[in-house]
Amino acid sequence: GAVVSQHPSWVICKSGTSVKIECRSLDFQATTMFWYRQFPKQSLMLMATSNEGSKATYEQGVEKDKFLINHASLTLSTLTVTSAHPEDSSFYICSARPSRGYEQYFGPGTRLTVT
Amino acid sequence: AQSVTQPDIHITVSEGASLELRCNYSYGATPYLFWYVQSPGQGLQLLLKYFSGDTLVQGIKGFEAEFKRSQSSFNLRKPSVHWSDAAEYFCAVVADGGYQKVTFGIGTKLQVIP
Repeated sequence: GAVVSQHPSWVICKSGTSVKIECRSLDFQATTMFWYRQFPKQSLMLMATSNEGSKATYEQGVEKDKFLINHASLTLSTLTVTSAHPEDSSFYICSARPSRGYEQYFGPGTRLTVT
Repeated sequence: AQSVTQPDIHITVSEGASLELRCNYSYGATPYLFWYVQSPGQGLQLLLKYFSGDTLVQGIKGFEAEFKRSQSSFNLRKPSVHWSDAAEYFCAVVADGGYQKVTFGIGTKLQVIP
């Protein structure tokens, strides 16, 4: 149980285009989902916290207009990188927290490369 | 604010040897503590967690961790390491309240040599 999927697992896009990444909790409901960014050989950096039915809470320094987050249901959150630039290239990981509990379950990650 | 320190960035052990990965946290109250493992290019997998109760917790893949309040530590151990244990290990703490954000340590990369 407690499986989280991400789609796509990797994507290459051209500079200036937008990319949408999906995060789904497959066998549990998640009122809260989190989006992280991981640079090579570094730890995870929390970008935003997404609560179902409400606006996401962004961490300091994260542009909310650039990284659009939508949490439309208890099993799906999406991250859209708008007007992508090469510096947005990174490994993006989502996690989902069950409605009851403190642990988070992580998706497999999405490798984004912007050319 | 809570913080997590993993003092060892890189550890190398021989297959079959015992392993201990260190983790120290800073938080005013009793935190919720976790250990995650990440294989290259993959997401994170939860190894074990501590919320309350018995301070020695058992996890998956033969791992265990011990919560020591007096030392503010939550070290991860395994009695006999397998080559498949080579990965990056992250200690994490969750503070109660709010959106219960997870704070991760910088990670310890484990290399296993035959």
